[in-house]
Amino acid sequence: KQEVTQIPAALSVPEGENLVLNCSFTDSAIYNLQWFRQDPGKGLTSLLLIQSSQREQTSGRLNASLDKSSGRSTLYIAASQPGDSATYLCAVPNAGNNRKLIWGLGTSLAVNP
Amino acid sequence: KAGVTQTPRYLIKTRGQQVTLSCSPISGHRSVSWYQQTPGQGLQFLFEYFSETQRNKGNFPGRFSGRQFSNSRSEMNVSTLELGDSALYLCASSLDGGGASDTQYFGPGTRLTVL
Repeated sequence: KQEVTQIPAALSVPEGENLVLNCSFTDSAIYNLQWFRQDPGKGLTSLLLIQSSQREQTSGRLNASLDKSSGRSTLYIAASQPGDSATYLCAVPNAGNNRKLIWGLGTSLAVNP
Repeated sequence: KAGVTQTPRYLIKTRGQQVTLSCSPISGHRSVSWYQQTPGQGLQFLFEYFSETQRNKGNFPGRFSGRQFSNSRSEMNVSTLELGDSALYLCASSLDGGGASDTQYFGPGTRLTVL
């Protein structure tokens, strides 16, 4: 059974810091891994999707890496800004079922001015 | 292109009632998935519809049901509401829900409170 864990659960940093969020999963037979952002009381915004054949994806100040063999992904945020404050979630398709996403509980990030 | 829309945004119901939530996917998307989000359990998959057929189902009781119409719009219904059904219900759409590069796009959610 696929399980997803995110560490840390919460993180508070001063503006301008580079930071890393971690996501681990138990079954390495995944098609892809997605990182999402959720602002309080709102839906989710897809940030990056890494296919199983890829090692990393970049979008602006965000860089996500994937190491299937170790069951890990990291989301790197460069030069953090107060607008980055949100909850970041990672999700992988359930083992053997590409259409059913299994989620971590998220990392709540606060970037302080 | 309009995003995923969900109605209503907020609902307050009492135990024992039933509720219907609606989701309109992005134009051209044929897969619609539903998730329940609670503080304790996080996001949990409810079910996925594709071309009017339920293609996948999560581990929720039969009180939770859904359907999809020919225009890909989807509804989910919860009957005999319980206090524990209070949650944010999120709908997501994607082109076909199956490819390795198929991203899911989420709506703003419906906040259901059961009193």
